[in-house]
Amino acid sequence: DSGVTQTPKHLITATGQRVTLRCSPRSGDLSVYWYQQSLDQGLQFLIQYYNGEERAKGNILERFSAQQFPDLHSELNLSSLELGDSALYFCASSARAGETGELFFGEGSRLTVL
Amino acid sequence: GIQVEQSPPDLILQEGANSTLRCNFSDSVNNLQWFHQNPWGQLINLFYIPSGTKQNGRLSATTVATERYSLLYISSSQTTDSGVYFCAVTGGYQKVTFGIGTKLQVIP
Repeated sequence: DSGVTQTPKHLITATGQRVTLRCSPRSGDLSVYWYQQSLDQGLQFLIQYYNGEERAKGNILERFSAQQFPDLHSELNLSSLELGDSALYFCASSARAGETGELFFGEGSRLTVL
Repeated sequence: GIQVEQSPPDLILQEGANSTLRCNFSDSVNNLQWFHQNPWGQLINLFYIPSGTKQNGRLSATTVATERYSLLYISSSQTTDSGVYFCAVTGGYQKVTFGIGTKLQVIP
């Protein structure tokens, strides 16, 4: 158990819909990262937050947004869903922002868009 | 951004065999990690190794930061070692970049 909690574990929805994925980082970790992994693909970095503020942005679509709340949990919002958004979405956390410490991943949220 | 190349892309081993996985990166990095993604999709931390050598049981890793590569050694492989092994590096702007992985299949 990495200590990073993601919900829901599985989600099936239809095209055009909107979903929210939630992540609770390890106790004490201030940084949260979101990654997308499409079928048989590598991990694509989406976005990073540190203590509530956006720190780095990757290949995140405009239809996607994220935030980190004062209690440090984070949410990734995916809207106007398309078939190609079907993927495994991972959240990771680490302790430091000045330099990236060791990342610990949650078990992922598997999104299926029909 | 930093480019991360992993080799080989695919590897099939007989149980008990040894293997070496390689990760090359295109620029200086602050951190480097190795992960194992098991067949159920879980990402498991193997090593946090910006430089030097570490060992954990049958696995060991070496990073030579000045030459921009890292190696992951798997000895006496077991079927439970099957999955995808990812190398991830952190460069400027704290962006973590993953390689595309090495898919390992260990057959009995």
